[in-house]
Amino acid sequence: NAGVTQTPKFQVLKTGQSMTLQCAQDMNHNSMYWYRQDPGMGLRLIYYSASEGTTDKGEVPNGYNVSRLNKREFSLRLESAAPSQTSVYFCASSIVSQVGSYNEQFFGPGTRLTVL
Amino acid sequence: AQSVTQPDIHITVSEGASLELRCNYSYGATPYLFWYVQSPGQGLQLLLKYFSGDTLVQGIKGFEAEFKRSQSSFNLRKPSVHWSDAAEYFCAVGNNYGQNFVFGPGTRLSVLP
Repeated sequence: NAGVTQTPKFQVLKTGQSMTLQCAQDMNHNSMYWYRQDPGMGLRLIYYSASEGTTDKGEVPNGYNVSRLNKREFSLRLESAAPSQTSVYFCASSIVSQVGSYNEQFFGPGTRLTVL
Repeated sequence: AQSVTQPDIHITVSEGASLELRCNYSYGATPYLFWYVQSPGQGLQLLLKYFSGDTLVQGIKGFEAEFKRSQSSFNLRKPSVHWSDAAEYFCAVGNNYGQNFVFGPGTRLSVLP
């Protein structure tokens, strides 16, 4: 199993450009997440998808959109990139079931994005 | 809303010394607690987790953590640090439905030879 994969690993954009970050998991997890990581801030949740067909905003959703394409794939789109979106982006997935289960999240390797 | 604090931004220890990383949380219900480690340029790897039962939990790489409800703490410990433990460590709290997963700001660990 590859676990959680992300593409691309690195990206440089100019202000105003758009791009989509791709994420896929092969663990049959029902929930998927997008985080951004900035120095001293830990990881902050951008959007999540509790199950196929649903998406919800996290702590810092402004400037982003997401698509849960199917159970495996969850993409993050920047429609008009801004320098404030320079960050490392992590995708994660988890299996969420009834009380009593551990919902630890499994992380991809990250995408380092620079917006000039 | 839940929150996680990690009071130490950066800790330096000598190889072979013991380690304790602090984590305090605020959460209204029974928390699910986690410690993750991130090596430079890598994603996050789960070290250990706590949901219920024995308040002292064992994880990978020789780490353990103790849940203290009265102190709202979940501190990570290791009796003897190895140079390869140098990394950033994140404490996180969540519920069993995933939506409210919150990370602390992280503690960077440096290990002196």
